[in-house]
Amino acid sequence: RKEVEQDPGPFNVPEGATVAFNCTYSNSASQSFFWYRQDCRKEPKLLMSVYSSGNEDGRFTAQLNRASQYISLLIRDSKLSDSATYLCVVPTTGTASKLTFGTGTRLQVTL
Amino acid sequence: ETGVTQSPTHLIKTRGQQVTLRCSSQSGHNTVSWYQQALGQGPQFIFQYYREEENGRGNFPPRFSGLQFPNYSSELNVNALELDDSALYLCASSVGSGEAETQYFGPGTRLLVL
Repeated sequence: RKEVEQDPGPFNVPEGATVAFNCTYSNSASQSFFWYRQDCRKEPKLLMSVYSSGNEDGRFTAQLNRASQYISLLIRDSKLSDSATYLCVVPTTGTASKLTFGTGTRLQVTL
Repeated sequence: ETGVTQSPTHLIKTRGQQVTLRCSSQSGHNTVSWYQQALGQGPQFIFQYYREEENGRGNFPPRFSGLQFPNYSSELNVNALELDDSALYLCASSVGSGEAETQYFGPGTRLLVL
């Protein structure tokens, strides 16, 4: 099983739609998680952190299910500007803090 | 913007050559991590430097090496380039090491090996 798995998409949705992405992780000891957003040919940028059962920031909601080892990202009222790749990230702590990324899920919001 | 800068932005090399990529951290950050992102993949951890010492390494061969300087800027060196080394190389800076702190990415260096 891969450390972090995501559906690569693409997800094509109309403006105003609600879309959800899932991500599964293999390390049951992981305590915190991130969603990063990456625009085409740009660097990843932190979208949300998830430390407990979930987190909400405006139109974006991240939820964590530790029993099933998955994290989800829900985007409500999609905007054209939400078009990007969304990367699920599991940090590994210890001597070094390494980020393990999923392959990313591509979202295309259309008119 | 994150305040993390990288140079050069693009680079073309041929197989067997060596390359050095540079990264300047965000002010106040003492930890730099390097990642390789191949087309269509998520970034893969290469290594991390904390206070000028390598303190973690991913599954990359020894021909990938690095340095961190007293001002916390960093270099990634790749020897004996292979075609598969073509990728976007990202550096990320953060405060401290060992915890799940936020890492801030630079814009990356796009390397093409011919």
